[in-house]
Amino acid sequence: AQSVTQPDIHITVSEGASLELRCNYSYGATPYLFWYVQSPGQGLQLLLKYFSGDTLVQGIKGFEAEFKRSQSSFNLRKPSVHWSDAAEYFCAVVPILTGGGNKLTFGTGTQLKVEL
Amino acid sequence: GAGVSQSPSNKVTEKGKDVELRCDPISGHTALYWYRQSLGQGLEFLIYFQGNSAPDKSGLPSDRFSAERTGGSVSTLTIQRTQQEDSAVYLCASSPSDTQYFGPGTRLTVL
Repeated sequence: AQSVTQPDIHITVSEGASLELRCNYSYGATPYLFWYVQSPGQGLQLLLKYFSGDTLVQGIKGFEAEFKRSQSSFNLRKPSVHWSDAAEYFCAVVPILTGGGNKLTFGTGTQLKVEL
Repeated sequence: GAGVSQSPSNKVTEKGKDVELRCDPISGHTALYWYRQSLGQGLEFLIYFQGNSAPDKSGLPSDRFSAERTGGSVSTLTIQRTQQEDSAVYLCASSPSDTQYFGPGTRLTVL
């Protein structure tokens, strides 16, 4: 079945440490890939996206993600985490050629806690 | 510029009552999406509009849920005879093409 998996429900890192959030997908063809962030009581903010081309994608707030076709993964990284990065992070996909718009399928999210 | 706005931000209603949730998309965005975010189900797609038409309603959980979009702009999601399981945050997103931009959501609580 088609799915998006975020294996880590909760992650805690120290401020200044590096961060990697995992995302794996299961689709026949490489879908469009997105990372969104949600702060408490807020909507979803787009961090970055991958459609094709360079497999290392730069986003806002110093985040980047790397698409690895062989691993069906699209992991989110940040070299040095700031306390303001504490939030919930969602990986999402749009299967290509669905014929019904670009509806997003989301992973279950990873809650990031930053220790000062 | 102005982003996606949703109203009300919070809605508390009694079981069995009807509710209407409103979404104002970013001007010029032709596509509009509704999603629901709940503790048990995560983020789920509800319905997609292209212009005023809804080519994909596959995510609406029951016939108590309906939505419309007028003038290629504002959209209203209506839930009739609300049930406690309808309690969730309802998110709207608009899109000019491949990327969706989300509003802050409406938190619906059904007592």
